[in-house]
Amino acid sequence: AQSVTQLDSQVPVFEEAPVELRCNYSSSVSVYLFWYVQYPNQGLQLLLKYLSGSTLVKGINGFEAEFNKSQTSFHLRKPSVHISDTAEYFCAVRISGGYQKVTFGTGTKLQVIP
Amino acid sequence: DTAVSQTPKYLVTQMGNDKSIKCEQNLGHDTMYWYKQDSKKFLKIMFSYNNKELIINETVPNRFSPKSPDKAHLNLHINSLELGDSAVYFCASSPDESGLYGYTFGSGTRLTVV
Repeated sequence: AQSVTQLDSQVPVFEEAPVELRCNYSSSVSVYLFWYVQYPNQGLQLLLKYLSGSTLVKGINGFEAEFNKSQTSFHLRKPSVHISDTAEYFCAVRISGGYQKVTFGTGTKLQVIP
Repeated sequence: DTAVSQTPKYLVTQMGNDKSIKCEQNLGHDTMYWYKQDSKKFLKIMFSYNNKELIINETVPNRFSPKSPDKAHLNLHINSLELGDSAVYFCASSPDESGLYGYTFGSGTRLTVV
């Protein structure tokens, strides 16, 4: 079975500073990886996904993530954050092959400080 | 037009009552889901339907019964509500059962059992 770990429950960062939100997964087979964002009182929204190909994936709102198979990581980055990026960010994993469920991490709260 | 809409948004009820949450998607997606998000923001899948057919049924008490009258609707009925059922329930949909295109989430139903 797959699992995903987001080590940081909260990440405070000043506006216009860069940010990295960490995600590590565990799986004995190939995986697909996702990042979702949840703004207050809203549902989750897909930011980006890695299915195959280039390990650097670009998403919406200026975010990008890099798939690192050797370190089993899929960290999310943004070079310069805005106040509007304050939200909860969820990493998710699905193992490849056939039909499999998507498993979500416990989320990282990004707090952008003016 | 809201892509995935849930009603009600808030639900406060007493222990032992029976309640329903409704979900509708206008995206033409084939697959719909119910997720439960607890107070620590952990998201856990409960059920998944593909074209009205149940394809995922996680370890959920049988007090929870999903119903999909057509592929655009997935309702959740809960019998004999317990304090531990208090959570935010999210409905989601995806184009197909693979989940690889990402999910579209509703804005959630906050259930409080008193």
